[in-house]
Amino acid sequence: DTGVSQNPRHKITKRGQNVTFRCDPISEHNRLYWYRQTLGQGPEFLTYFQNEAQLEKSRLLSDRFSAERPKGSFSTLEIQRTEQGDSAMYLCASSFALHGDEQFFGPGTRLTVL
Amino acid sequence: AQSVTQPDIHITVSEGASLELRCNYSYGATPYLFWYVQSPGQGLQLLLKYFSGDTLVQGIKGFEAEFKRSQSSFNLRKPSVHWSDAAEYFCAVGTMNRDDKIIFGKGTRLHILP
Repeated sequence: DTGVSQNPRHKITKRGQNVTFRCDPISEHNRLYWYRQTLGQGPEFLTYFQNEAQLEKSRLLSDRFSAERPKGSFSTLEIQRTEQGDSAMYLCASSFALHGDEQFFGPGTRLTVL
Repeated sequence: AQSVTQPDIHITVSEGASLELRCNYSYGATPYLFWYVQSPGQGLQLLLKYFSGDTLVQGIKGFEAEFKRSQSSFNLRKPSVHWSDAAEYFCAVGTMNRDDKIIFGKGTRLHILP
């Protein structure tokens, strides 16, 4: 297994457009997390899934954001009507559902909203 | 609420010198503590973690960290840095809730002088 993968690695879009990112976790991991990292900050938790169930969403995740994980495998994060403030690195991580188990991070998708 | 403070935004050390990166956390119980490293274009990589037991934790790449409950600190150390250690370092606290989400500090960027 090659680890967590994310696509695309970079996305440039115009304000108001919709964008979708994909995360493929490590295959045997049943937990999947999304984080957002802005310049000069550490990653901030957005949401997480256990299998296909989305169990928690941060208040950072406005109504314009939606995440899915159909069949408990890959996950998508969609941002509708993008704003310049959405420009950030979006990170995905996966882990076993064992309490305290290590989260393995993907390389991230860097979003730039013009 | 949990929080992590990394008081140094940038640190510069000479190659071969020792290193200590500071981290203070706020959490109501015994936390899970992590140090991650992020190199340009790379995902976050776990250096080490503390869950319980021995307060001196050994990690990869020759790093170690010491948990001091009385000081709410989890400082990262390395006896002799290499040029390849130049990167951004994040201290993080893991919640004891079932979600296992991680709260990151803002990071310390390490620069190495030849």
